[in-house]
Amino acid sequence: GAVVSQHPSRVICKSGTSVKIECRSLDFQATTMFWYRQFPKQSLMLMATSNEGSKATYEQGVEKDKFLINHASLTLSTLTVTSAHPEDSSFYICSARVLTQNTEAFFGQGTRLTVV
Amino acid sequence: GEDVEQSLFLSVREGDSSVINCTYTDSSSTYLYWYKQEPGAGLQLLTYIFSNMDMKQDQRLTVLLNKKDKHLSLRIADTQTGDSAIYFCAETPGGYQKVTFGTGTKLQVIP
Repeated sequence: GAVVSQHPSRVICKSGTSVKIECRSLDFQATTMFWYRQFPKQSLMLMATSNEGSKATYEQGVEKDKFLINHASLTLSTLTVTSAHPEDSSFYICSARVLTQNTEAFFGQGTRLTVV
Repeated sequence: GEDVEQSLFLSVREGDSSVINCTYTDSSSTYLYWYKQEPGAGLQLLTYIFSNMDMKQDQRLTVLLNKKDKHLSLRIADTQTGDSAIYFCAETPGGYQKVTFGTGTKLQVIP
């Protein structure tokens, strides 16, 4: 199957700083990427849908100014957690699909963010 | 709404079969997935089934899909201790868009 690479896998940052998480599709062009968040012992919740070359679509309750998403190319989407707080500590996972084709979704390995 | 429901916990003995059930809501979903997540790790795609199929078998895994009842199940034959993890079913509501995850079932395999 196709490969989606997410980096970093783990990051610890101080409160008030910003953290950037990258999601790359390595062997296919992803017209759309999705960002999910998973709290401990809970399911994955969709945060936003990232479309190449246009603004991301955020789910209800997700602050777009806090979680900045950029999808500048067909192989890269980034999620920046701005002014991070301890409550932002979570597991973030990206997913990529080629929406012009009927394919399954491919997921990155996830990023464990800890804000101290 | 887009609620995908699973039972929270399942305990089986090593060597037995495990059956994890899932109920989804969107009849237009094209792909239905089963993912495995081990503690502290990302998602591992185990298998998926296209909505025009009733069953898919892949080694120890068997997926059954009942579209009428919107019910999906994952059967793991000869369950091993390494199968202990959280299993998520997921659907693609609306066909080609985002993946919506179930609540997850924690599988505990007793040696």
